[in-house]
Amino acid sequence: GENVEQHPSTLSVQEGDSAVIKCTYSDSASNYFPWYKQELGKRPQLIIDIRSNVGEKKDQRIAVTLNKTAKHFSLHITETQPEDSAVYFCAASRGYQKVTFGIGTKLQVIP
Amino acid sequence: KAGVTQTPRYLIKTRGQQVTLSCSPISGHRSVSWYQQTPGQGLQFLFEYFSETQRNKGNFPGRFSGRQFSNSRSEMNVSTLELGDSALYLCASRGGNTEAFFGQGTRLTVV
Repeated sequence: GENVEQHPSTLSVQEGDSAVIKCTYSDSASNYFPWYKQELGKRPQLIIDIRSNVGEKKDQRIAVTLNKTAKHFSLHITETQPEDSAVYFCAASRGYQKVTFGIGTKLQVIP
Repeated sequence: KAGVTQTPRYLIKTRGQQVTLSCSPISGHRSVSWYQQTPGQGLQFLFEYFSETQRNKGNFPGRFSGRQFSNSRSEMNVSTLELGDSALYLCASRGGNTEAFFGQGTRLTVV
């Protein structure tokens, strides 16, 4: 089955700096890669996603890149703000198959 | 459109007891997945149901079981509870190869 590895597990950045979280996946047939943000005490919520026919996608300060050949994808957050502090999960799925999540990255933005 | 609803929100059970958790997906969503979340362990996949059939299963003991009804509502059952079963149990519904929407979770404490 699919295996998703995510790193780093924790990340501290100064407010205004950029943050990068990286994930690799094992199933070359995976074609949907969402990223979720989970604030303390809340449910995970989608922040951005990318499909395998696209190499990069951007939404304001958040961007995701996908390298299908290397089977890795990354989340980039620019101009970080304290409200970006949360746990971020990457995930991968193939068609209607189950979504496999990475272990999560705890991001702390220091004011 | 109503979101994913999980009941109850909190549960305290004694070792050896059993528990049933409920998840009502977004209307029209036929896929319901269950995850166990513990600190440092990310989102551990339990199982996925689609149209009343278990389509995928994670690496959990047989004490963990589930089912899905014709209206797509799903229940998860844990028998012979152990202290290590204390966790946040999240369900998520999907309408296809798209975003998974999470419920707020059921916080289970086993004493």
